[in-house]
Amino acid sequence: DAGVIQSPRHEVTEMGQEVTLRCKPISGHDYLFWYRQTMMRGLELLIYFNNNVPIDDSGMPEDRFSAKMPNASFSTLKIQPSEPRDSAVYFCASSWEAFYGYTFGSGTRLTVV
Amino acid sequence: QQPVQSPQAVILREGEDAVINCSSSKALYSVHWYRQKHGEAPVFLMILLKGGEQKGHEKISASFNEKKQQSSLYLTASQLSYSGTYFCGTERGRDNYGQNFVFGPGTRLSVLP
Repeated sequence: DAGVIQSPRHEVTEMGQEVTLRCKPISGHDYLFWYRQTMMRGLELLIYFNNNVPIDDSGMPEDRFSAKMPNASFSTLKIQPSEPRDSAVYFCASSWEAFYGYTFGSGTRLTVV
Repeated sequence: QQPVQSPQAVILREGEDAVINCSSSKALYSVHWYRQKHGEAPVFLMILLKGGEQKGHEKISASFNEKKQQSSLYLTASQLSYSGTYFCGTERGRDNYGQNFVFGPGTRLSVLP
């Protein structure tokens, strides 16, 4: 199994631009989570899906953030427009159960200048 | 509410032991432990469910005292490969993952030769 696959690994963009982060979960995992990690706030849950359906998006910081999961093997996190304070490492994780061990992807390091 | 981890950082010599603590002000259903090496994704180590069962992973074990709402991670005869940041994740109930699961701020462990 290739694990959770995220792309791109690094993204540098200018303020105001649209950013799209991509994630392919492990096959058979029904849960997909998007986390953001910063030095100040640690690991924060942004949104999670169960069987492709968004269950809780209360962690999405603003309307500038949106996430989709059109099928069981693909999810996107979009930021439009991006701002410097969005700079962080964004992780996607998947699991076969909500409260069990999660497999994290390698993350996308986003820098907004 | 984020759990408290202590210490914030610890430096060890290879072969020494360490204990990392995680405590919550709320009643807990389970505690998860992850390790994140620098520049990498968090990796799931173990989960401890209500009931106080001690778990193990290589020379790393953990306990969960539900009455005190705290968990401890024990690293025995530490190896260089144990270096990284250790996160606990606390679960307050089996529903509403977004509201009931949160990661701690992490404990940075450095093992020196």
